[in-house]
This record gives sequence, C-alpha cells and structure tokens, in this order.
Amino acid sequence: AQTVTQSQPEMSVQEAETVTLSCTYDTSESDYYLFWYKQPPSRQMILVIRQEAYKQQNATENRFSVNFQKAAKSFSLKISDSQLGDAAMYFCAYRSGRDDKIIFGKGTRLHILP
Amino acid sequence: DGGITQSPKYLFRKEGQNVTLSCEQNLNHDAMYWYRQDPGQGLRLIYYSQIVNDFQKGDIAEGYSVSREKKESFPLTVTSAQKNPTAFYLCASSTTGHSRNTIYFGEGSWLTVV
Repeated sequence: AQTVTQSQPEMSVQEAETVTLSCTYDTSESDYYLFWYKQPPSRQMILVIRQEAYKQQNATENRFSVNFQKAAKSFSLKISDSQLGDAAMYFCAYRSGRDDKIIFGKGTRLHILP
Repeated sequence: DGGITQSPKYLFRKEGQNVTLSCEQNLNHDAMYWYRQDPGQGLRLIYYSQIVNDFQKGDIAEGYSVSREKKESFPLTVTSAQKNPTAFYLCASSTTGHSRNTIYFGEGSWLTVV
C-alpha cells in the first residue's frame, strides 16, 4: 500500500524568506501523480502545485516550486519570498495512476513571522 | 458554475443514529472521494469511486457506507458502528485517464455527535 509522510508537523519562517516543506512517499507503482495542497483556516483546499511522475522537470508555479526526486521518493515544496497569506496547513498528496486512489500526508502547519 | 456541493455544512446527531452526508458535483467527473479530517491526522480516505455503481474502501472505511448510483452523486452514510464520528468530512472529485492531474474539493461538512 502507498503511504505519504510529512515529517514536519509545524514550521515557521520569516516573511520574505524561503522555506522548504518535506514530503516522502512509498509506492511500487511507476505511474502516479503528486500534489501539494494548501488549507487555510476556512478549510478550503487550494491546489498549490502538481507533478506527474513521468516528468523529470520539477514543477514551478510563481513563488512555489518542488524538488521531485523520484528515486528517493521525495517531493519537497519550496516557498520563496514567503508572504503572510502563505500561513496555512500544507498537505502532500499521492494519486495512483492504476486505480485513482488519492492519499494525503498528515500535513505541515506553516507560520509566517512578520 | 461548476463545482462540488456538500450538504449540510453543519450536522448534529445523537449517538447511535445513522447520518448521511450529501456530495453532488456538476463537473462531469468520473472519480469521487470521501475524506475525514481530524486534528493532527491529515485527510484520511474513507471511500472512493472511479465509476458509477462501483466503489472501493479507503483506509478507514469501517463504520461508513457509500453508494454511487449516479455519476454526479456520492453520498456518505456514517453508521452507528462508527466509534468516533465527530469530525470534518471532505468530498472531492476528479477526472480520470490522462487528465487526472486536478482534484476538486467541496467546502466540507462538520459532523458532531452528542
């Protein structure tokens, strides 16, 4: 069975600095998709970035980028120029390409210090 | 507008009663999902469905039941067998096949059992 592990329950970063959130996963599949979702206090789930496993190039969305290391089964999220609005829970997710099962890690709560 | 609608947003029930949470989507998505969110536990998969009239158990299916009689609907019943049903419940949907890189979420339902 697949698993997703986020080893940092909470992190803090100074405004305008860079922070990296860790995510590792375990799978025997070769076809899968990885995601980072943001959940503010409203509980709304907001897609931050996504990565197809077959793509070697790391995904980037404005201030958000990932470091996808397929062999190490690692999918970390880097947030550059952190802003107060980035404060939220961040969840890493894995989607199976075989049966569309989607599982999430336990999340990392990110605090932005002014 | 296209999206996912969960209802009710807040639900109170007495212990021992079954309750049903509604999830409707008008995005024409094949896949639908139910998650439970507890503090410190992230999103845990209860059930998911790739297609009408078919569904699979997730990691915490005990005490829950679902049906998928229509493509747009995936109701979740929390039965009296669920030992600790008080939680926040999220429904999600997604395309399948080659465009399975986006997951849409409802706004969630809060269930409190007293």
